[in-house]
Amino acid sequence: AQSVAQPEDQVNVAEGNPLTVKCTYSVSGNPYLFWYVQYPNRGLQFLLKYITGDNLVKGSYGFEAEFNKSQTSFHLKKPSALVSDSALYFCAVRDGADKLIFGTGTRLQVFP
Amino acid sequence: GAVVSQHPSWVICKSGTSVKIECRSLDFQATTMFWYRQFPKQSLMLMATSNEGSKATYEQGVEKDKFLINHASLTLSTLTVTSAHPEDSSFYICSASWAGGPHEQFFGPGTRLTVL
Repeated sequence: AQSVAQPEDQVNVAEGNPLTVKCTYSVSGNPYLFWYVQYPNRGLQFLLKYITGDNLVKGSYGFEAEFNKSQTSFHLKKPSALVSDSALYFCAVRDGADKLIFGTGTRLQVFP
Repeated sequence: GAVVSQHPSWVICKSGTSVKIECRSLDFQATTMFWYRQFPKQSLMLMATSNEGSKATYEQGVEKDKFLINHASLTLSTLTVTSAHPEDSSFYICSASWAGGPHEQFFGPGTRLTVL
């Protein structure tokens, strides 16, 4: 069965520092991987996806993610964090029925 | 593009009443819509998948008679929580996609349901 794991409940980083939010996956076949962000009391906003091609994927708001097949990881990164990046981040994988399977989420807190 | 709206954004109702939540795709035709439930500080739990004109497919453990889903048009799906009880209080989020479109789903802003 497809699954994703986000090992960190919360990540704290100072504004201006690089950030990484971790995600590992378990799938059969080629993975379709996604990152979404959720602000309080809001729905999810799409950040980026990996379907095929270049392992480094660039997305919205300066975020990027690196697909690593050997480590089955898809970590979300940003070179310089902003206070406004503070939110809940979800990694997801799409299964064969086009359903999204979400990780448990990681709360990112960026301190001024 | 690919905007999804939900109405209402929040609703408070008395125990035993029914509540309807609408999910609309504003600028595309959604062949598939998904309904999720999210408890505080938790991940999203898929409740059901609906394809336009077909009966919804419910996930294991989701009561079909309690959570009625209708996807009568390519731009509208509704979730009706019947005979609501306090334990149904939650954040309900819909998403949509279309056949041949991008692989990601597009999410609505969510509906906060509080049952007194």
